[in-house]
Amino acid sequence: ETGVTQSPTHLIKTRGQQVTLRCSSQSGHNTVSWYQQALGQGPQFIFQYYREEENGRGNFPPRFSGLQFPNYSSELNVNALELDDSALYLCASSFQSGRADTQYFGPGTRLTVL
Amino acid sequence: AQSVTQLGSHVSVSEGALVLLRCNYSSSVPPYLFWYVQYPNQGLQLLLKYTSAATLVKGINGFEAEFKKSETSFHLTKPSAHMSDAAEYFCAVSEGRGYSTLTFGKGTMLLVSP
Repeated sequence: ETGVTQSPTHLIKTRGQQVTLRCSSQSGHNTVSWYQQALGQGPQFIFQYYREEENGRGNFPPRFSGLQFPNYSSELNVNALELDDSALYLCASSFQSGRADTQYFGPGTRLTVL
Repeated sequence: AQSVTQLGSHVSVSEGALVLLRCNYSSSVPPYLFWYVQYPNQGLQLLLKYTSAATLVKGINGFEAEFKKSETSFHLTKPSAHMSDAAEYFCAVSEGRGYSTLTFGKGTMLLVSP
């Protein structure tokens, strides 16, 4: 069974640029959630996709957007990058979207915005 | 809104000593609670979760946690610390209507000395 994978591992961008992060969910999972973890903080929920539809969204501006594909892999896109976007971005997949479902996390993508 | 408070950003113990990491939550609905561990430069790994079954939950690597509704607590314990337990630990509560999102505490770094 393949776990959650994310690419790239590290990324350096400059202010104003756009970035796309990718996530492959664990086999058999149809739900993907994205989290932002700033240095020294706990992860914060960005949004969730369930069967290719956005299923919920946290307190992030519209320049954070996403997609989920038929194979349940996912992308996180961030436009007009700001310095505060520097963080570890974590993807998590689960079998379903219920509250009791365990979310399995990938290793993350470290984004640095200069 | 639901929230999680982890008391102590750092906890230091000696190898072989009891580990106690504190977590208090607030929730307007019966909570589902999780403990995750994060090793340096890695994603989050589930240690254990509470989903309204037994109040004492046993997890991996000898960790357990007890749900106490009257105290709104879900503290994580391990009888005897090992050097390999040194990591950051996050408590989280599951929320959302019709979907699950995790609200995390700020984390507690566990330091284990020989």
